[in-house]
Amino acid sequence: ETGVTQTPRHLVMGMTNKKSLKCEQHLGHNAMYWYKQSAKKPLELMFVYSLEERVENNSVPSRFSPECPNSSHLFLHLHTLQPEDSALYLCASSLTRTGQLSYGYTFGSGTRLTVV
Amino acid sequence: DAKTTQPPSMDCAEGRAANLPCNHSTISGNEYVYWYRQIHSQGPQYIIHGLKNNETNEMASLIITEDRKSSTLILPHATLRDTAVYYCIVLMDSSYKLIFGSGTRLLVRP
Repeated sequence: ETGVTQTPRHLVMGMTNKKSLKCEQHLGHNAMYWYKQSAKKPLELMFVYSLEERVENNSVPSRFSPECPNSSHLFLHLHTLQPEDSALYLCASSLTRTGQLSYGYTFGSGTRLTVV
Repeated sequence: DAKTTQPPSMDCAEGRAANLPCNHSTISGNEYVYWYRQIHSQGPQYIIHGLKNNETNEMASLIITEDRKSSTLILPHATLRDTAVYYCIVLMDSSYKLIFGSGTRLLVRP
């Protein structure tokens, strides 16, 4: 275990479903991130939250909706996804101090999402 | 943040040293070199980072050239569990974004 826990580990959903991915960390980190990794592609940064405020949204479609209720929890709400959204979704956290990356990121094990 | 260039794949024999190169010719003075690895279908794992001095920890050594335009990650005694994709990333300490390239796929052979 890395200290960043993602649930569920696997998810199969239909295109009309609504589901949520959950990420939890108890490392005392104050920044959290969502990444997407499609087959045979590099990781893509989707969202960045620092001190519970969204500081980056990398042109992600609105069918992906993040939520960060506190510094320990991060959600990714999914609705009306497409088959091409099937991928490994990874959550990460880090400790930043006045915007500085003081320590390396810690990643969770990811949620393997399949859209049918 | 500076871009990096890594070979797409490498292999080495178990028990031997694995030397993974990375070119970052446009690196600036306040940018660090970070190395992460990703074992199949898991999240990336931090290995080591450095600014200009060579660094060593329990996982690996990082050798940065004097001009800082390239670096080498050394796994001194590679095991089968070191088979993974290794990412070299350059970023400023003030940056909060970890951007991944394609990395080097290392295969450790028995």
